[in-house]
Amino acid sequence: GAGVSQSPSNKVTEKGKDVELRCDPISGHTALYWYRQSLGQGLEFLIYFQGNSAPDKSGLPSDRFSAERTGGSVSTLTIQRTQQEDSAVYLCASSTGGGRSRTDTQYFGPGTRLTVL
Amino acid sequence: DQQVKQNSPSLSVQEGRISILNCDYTNSMFDYFLWYKKYPAEGPTFLISISSIKDKNEDGRFTVFLNKSAKHLSLHIVPSQPGDSAVYFCAASDRDGLYSGAGSYQLTFGKGTKLSVIP
Repeated sequence: GAGVSQSPSNKVTEKGKDVELRCDPISGHTALYWYRQSLGQGLEFLIYFQGNSAPDKSGLPSDRFSAERTGGSVSTLTIQRTQQEDSAVYLCASSTGGGRSRTDTQYFGPGTRLTVL
Repeated sequence: DQQVKQNSPSLSVQEGRISILNCDYTNSMFDYFLWYKKYPAEGPTFLISISSIKDKNEDGRFTVFLNKSAKHLSLHIVPSQPGDSAVYFCAASDRDGLYSGAGSYQLTFGKGTKLSVIP
């Protein structure tokens, strides 16, 4: 079946603009995660969804970052008033979840490369 | 504070020989460890994992070893193949709550090691 997909694959924006990044998880996966990878760094956890609710937003770096998930499927990560330090690859992952998501393997999408000029 | 460290940014190995990728961690609460493999322009792909109740897990050419006292794990690939050339990420979590009593789904990643297998 289809894996996790993300769009756009690349996004170049000007400092101060808002951007939206989209994630389509694997069908039937109830758990969804957002990570980001800055240049030369490992993946950094941002937020976790179980269904449409986000019990853990602890990784969001500032209040300019927000995310939502609708219909237990697609998720959108929004960055307002982008800054140059927001430049990174934003990765989405999903897992089967079902209340025991911490034991599930996380499957990653290809990521969105965001460049803020 | 980097809780998962991969101190070798790159590694080159001859085809057919053993590749050994290393990873160190500092958080004593971690009880589950994973290796992911990443090709350019693709997301990380799960490779192999190990629980802290074990010291070795093997899957085909891939073996992960865990030394809890040293807070060190390694991934062995034998024999190495050119298709193994990729960036390998070590990740850890407090998945089972064995030491924290809680459990978490958050993965903490190292910065990765780029493996090049030379034909």
